Amino acid sequence: GAVVSQHPSWVICKSGTSVKIECRSLDFQATTMFWYRQFPKQSLMLMATSNEGSKATYEQGVEKDKFLINHASLTLSTLTVTSAHPEDSSFYICSASKGASTYEQYFGPGTRLTVT
Amino acid sequence: LAKTTQPISMDSYEGQEVNITCSHNNIATNDYITWYQQFPSQGPRFIIQGYKTKVTNEVASLFIPADRKSSTLSLPRVSLSDTAVYYCLVGNQAGTALIFGKGTTLSVSS
Repeated sequence: GAVVSQHPSWVICKSGTSVKIECRSLDFQATTMFWYRQFPKQSLMLMATSNEGSKATYEQGVEKDKFLINHASLTLSTLTVTSAHPEDSSFYICSASKGASTYEQYFGPGTRLTVT
Repeated sequence: LAKTTQPISMDSYEGQEVNITCSHNNIATNDYITWYQQFPSQGPRFIIQGYKTKVTNEVASLFIPADRKSSTLSLPRVSLSDTAVYYCLVGNQAGTALIFGKGTTLSVSS
């Protein structure tokens, strides 16, 4: 159990357009989901923490108006990259926690975003 | 959150045992130690978690000395498919974000 999916797995978009990435916990409810960004040859960087039914908490330096996060249900969080630019091209990964009973997190397969 | 230090890279050959050590000098009393594996263009995958002494599962062992200031991930008889980046993380708050360090890139050759 504990499977997290992401959709799409890759996307190419033109500069100035918006892209939505979905993160779903398939077999468990996740009150908290996390969004990370990973550039080539680098580690994962936490972007924001997404709590169901409330506003996301963004890390310092991450623009909340550019990276819109919605966590409308216990199994779905979405990240929308608005007015994307080439520098937003990256690998976006979400993770989900089953809650306070475990420290283990489950990661999605990631979404490769390329902005042309 | 306690900071971790790992070797940037390690090389090994198929069939050998690989030990990756992580330093976490400022680990707190209620911190757990968790290791993740990441292949290129994939999300990290949980390998093992421990608090003290030794933990073993079907893929790895985790050795934690009494002072808990370091830990060693042991991969028995590695294969080419174990080539990946391995991350050591330390924390105690369930349901909170994981902060990743640089990780160790393990390269296994034939």
